[in-house]
Amino acid sequence: GIQVEQSPPDLILQEGANSTLRCNFSDSVNNLQWFHQNPWGQLINLFYIPSGTKQNGRLSATTVATERYSLLYISSSQTTDSGVYFCAGIPYSSASKIIFGSGTRLSIRP
Amino acid sequence: DAGITQSPRHKVTETGTPVTLRCHQTENHRYMYWYRQDPGHGLRLIHYSYGVKDTDKGEVSDGYSVSRSKTEDFLLTLESATSSQTSVYFCAINPTGGRENNEQFFGPGTRLTVL
Repeated sequence: GIQVEQSPPDLILQEGANSTLRCNFSDSVNNLQWFHQNPWGQLINLFYIPSGTKQNGRLSATTVATERYSLLYISSSQTTDSGVYFCAGIPYSSASKIIFGSGTRLSIRP
Repeated sequence: DAGITQSPRHKVTETGTPVTLRCHQTENHRYMYWYRQDPGHGLRLIHYSYGVKDTDKGEVSDGYSVSRSKTEDFLLTLESATSSQTSVYFCAINPTGGRENNEQFFGPGTRLTVL
């Protein structure tokens, strides 16, 4: 089946730093999403981004569907950005079976 | 807030007992999903539903069954719980529906421990 790789698996940064998280798919997907799971376990939708670039405040995301990857940018990190970031997509060969990556754990130090 | 609630939020049970988890939504969305989250695996799809009485299997469906007799409720049942089913279970909905636009929103999760 399709593989979803996220990198890096762990990232520790000082408050104010910028970061780039990457998501690679082994096969073409659509309906690509980015989520943030906060330390309380809540899954928060960040972006629905099958292709192109979107921005929301300090966060932005870019998906290059033809090359099967997506990037999440976090600028001027805050401690509230800590948590695990997941990407997920649905293979073109599947009707609804969304596949998640294993996540990037981000820790922002004050 | 996508209007999704899950119950119970926490449950401890013993091996061999039946367990039913409930996902309730208030917006009459057609598509609903059950996932489990385990360390090192991210989230994995158990079952999903595309309407009342219409369900299908995900990638980790063994040991689980689902039912959807009303649009607003999607039930996940462990007929005979095992320790390997200790996990956090998330319900999700797709407000727009369909294959081409499948943005999903998640409930708060249920932490299940099987002793």
